[in-house]
Amino acid sequence: GAGVSQSPSNKVTEKGKDVELRCDPISGHTALYWYRQRLGQGLEFLIYFQGNSAPDKSGLPSDRFSAERTGESVSTLTIQRTQQEDSAVYLCASSSDISSYEQYFGPGTRLTVT
Amino acid sequence: DAKTTQPTSMDCAEGRAANLPCNHSTISGNEYVYWYRQIHSQGPQYIIHGLKNNETNEMASLIITEDRKSSTLILPHATLRDTAVYYCIVRGYNNNDMRFGAGTRLTVKP
Repeated sequence: GAGVSQSPSNKVTEKGKDVELRCDPISGHTALYWYRQRLGQGLEFLIYFQGNSAPDKSGLPSDRFSAERTGESVSTLTIQRTQQEDSAVYLCASSSDISSYEQYFGPGTRLTVT
Repeated sequence: DAKTTQPTSMDCAEGRAANLPCNHSTISGNEYVYWYRQIHSQGPQYIIHGLKNNETNEMASLIITEDRKSSTLILPHATLRDTAVYYCIVRGYNNNDMRFGAGTRLTVKP
């Protein structure tokens, strides 16, 4: 079956522009996660959605970052007024519920801010 | 901050067992040990997890010390395709925050 998909796969943007990154989770997965991975580093948790509950935004690095999720489907991560330090791979993962031991990751979106 | 400590890198000969250590001395009683790996340019992939008993699946074995302060992931017969960064993570059962550290870069050599 289809896995987690993300788009675009690559995005180059100018400093100060806004960007939107999209994640399509596995159908039926109620939990959705966003992570950021800077070059050569581990994953940094950003935000988490579970069903209709309020999202856990504790990992968002600044108020320039926001995310939305429509029901239990698509999620978009928005970065406003991008900065060069926002350059990273943004990974999305989904799982069947919060207690599921396995998160399924998408291929990521590589964001480059020039 | 990640709750785990892993070596930065390791090498392993093809066909031999790869033993990847992880220290998690501050693990609490309800936290599991998870292992993921990330092959270059791909998203992380789940390998195995455990609480206190040793676990084995088709990919690997997980050995957890009795005091649960450390664990070892064992790939019994490493292949070149096992070259990846391996992440050891501790996480509560209903914890939504998987804190990945820098991981161990395993290089399997022919």
